[in-house]
Amino acid sequence: GAVVSQHPSRVICKSGTSVKIECRSLDFQATTMFWYRQFPKKSLMLMATSNEGSKATYEQGVEKDKFLINHASLTLSTLTVTSAHPEDSSFYICSARPDGALRSPLHFGNGTRLTVT
Amino acid sequence: AQKITQTQPGMFVQEKEAVTLDCTYDTSDQSYGLFWYKQPSSGEMIFLIYQGSYDEQNATEGRYSLNFQKARKSANLVISASQLGDSAMYFCAMREGHSSASKIIFGSGTRLSIRP
Repeated sequence: GAVVSQHPSRVICKSGTSVKIECRSLDFQATTMFWYRQFPKKSLMLMATSNEGSKATYEQGVEKDKFLINHASLTLSTLTVTSAHPEDSSFYICSARPDGALRSPLHFGNGTRLTVT
Repeated sequence: AQKITQTQPGMFVQEKEAVTLDCTYDTSDQSYGLFWYKQPSSGEMIFLIYQGSYDEQNATEGRYSLNFQKARKSANLVISASQLGDSAMYFCAMREGHSSASKIIFGSGTRLSIRP
């Protein structure tokens, strides 16, 4: 089945540093990938849609300069949290759907738990 | 405006009983898709079942079935013969439109706890 790999699974960083999270589709191509953020005991909030070869589309209220997204190939999207602060601590989870497979569900990575100290 | 509504923040069910998790949605698109995901405490998102807006039959996947009431815009998940391993968060989600780039948005979730 379709597998999405996300790394790292857990990261602790100091305030002011940047953190990069990778999302790879292992056995399918994905022109589009999606980045979500989840607070404890809350739902998944869509942050942005990552588009291969073009700029990401950010949801309202999400700072594009804070959360840099790069979709360099059909199997890799990265989210960089720049100048991280404690309020950026959260669970970040990426997802992707095989190109053209409209009825296919989103396949999720296992998430990255970010803690900013 | 809230597009996906799950009105049950938490539910307790006795093992082996059936349980229905409610989900209503709001869209003006004719083409859309509805999904249910399970999220155990480990955090992974597990796909359970899918219903397309043009599907005439209710979707079923093993112990999971989706009660799709299009006119009422509801897509309730039914779990038959519940098991202890069913304890988790359950999210209803919707894809609007018919592009593979169409985003999927999630409801607030229902925490299901199965009692032995």
